[in-house]
Amino acid sequence: DVKVTQSSRYLVKRTGEKVFLECVQDMDHENMFWYRQDPGLGLRLIYFSYDVKMKEKGDIPEGYSVSREKKERFSLILESASTNQTSMYLCASSPPAQFGGAFFGQGTRLTVV
Amino acid sequence: QQQVKQSPQSLIVQKGGISIINCAYENTAFDYFPWYQQFPGKGPALLIAIRPDVSEKKEGRFTISFNKSAKQFSLHIMDSQPGDSATYFCAASKMSGGSQGNLIFGKGTKLSVKP
Repeated sequence: DVKVTQSSRYLVKRTGEKVFLECVQDMDHENMFWYRQDPGLGLRLIYFSYDVKMKEKGDIPEGYSVSREKKERFSLILESASTNQTSMYLCASSPPAQFGGAFFGQGTRLTVV
Repeated sequence: QQQVKQSPQSLIVQKGGISIINCAYENTAFDYFPWYQQFPGKGPALLIAIRPDVSEKKEGRFTISFNKSAKQFSLHIMDSQPGDSATYFCAASKMSGGSQGNLIFGKGTKLSVKP
């Protein structure tokens, strides 16, 4: 089974802090994604990466950056956390697109106070 | 062009009934349509998916119906059970070209199956 592991289930951070969310997948997938999930808004794509050191902006990249130094690891960085970044963050990985859909981690519930 | 519209927002069904969730998309370049199931406190899990070369796909009690000309697809859950109570998301993506593999999600349907 594909396993996508996010480093924290729950995080509480202060406004202005730099926050790192880590994600590791064990299936040698090329593609990795970061989404945020908010009630009534569904899942919105923040950033994605289709190869090591490659990244592309999704629909809501403002206030976020990402890092992919190794194929199995994709990090989301909040440069200066703000209260409107309080959300559920979901990491996903997938094989090349023609082979099917994405597999998600369990999510990180981030609260910025 | 990138939107996926999902309805209804919430759905209550009696045990043994049929649950139907509908989605519509705009971008004709989409060629992969998965459904995800999410339980509280968990990440979404891939439930079933369809490609536009078929009009229907069935896996157990779950069926996707696909209408390419109308740009619509739907999830049917037959003999709905209380254990099916979850939030369901439809999604769409491209299997090739720019942004391939990026899933565009609907806003979700919260399904409650009453005993």
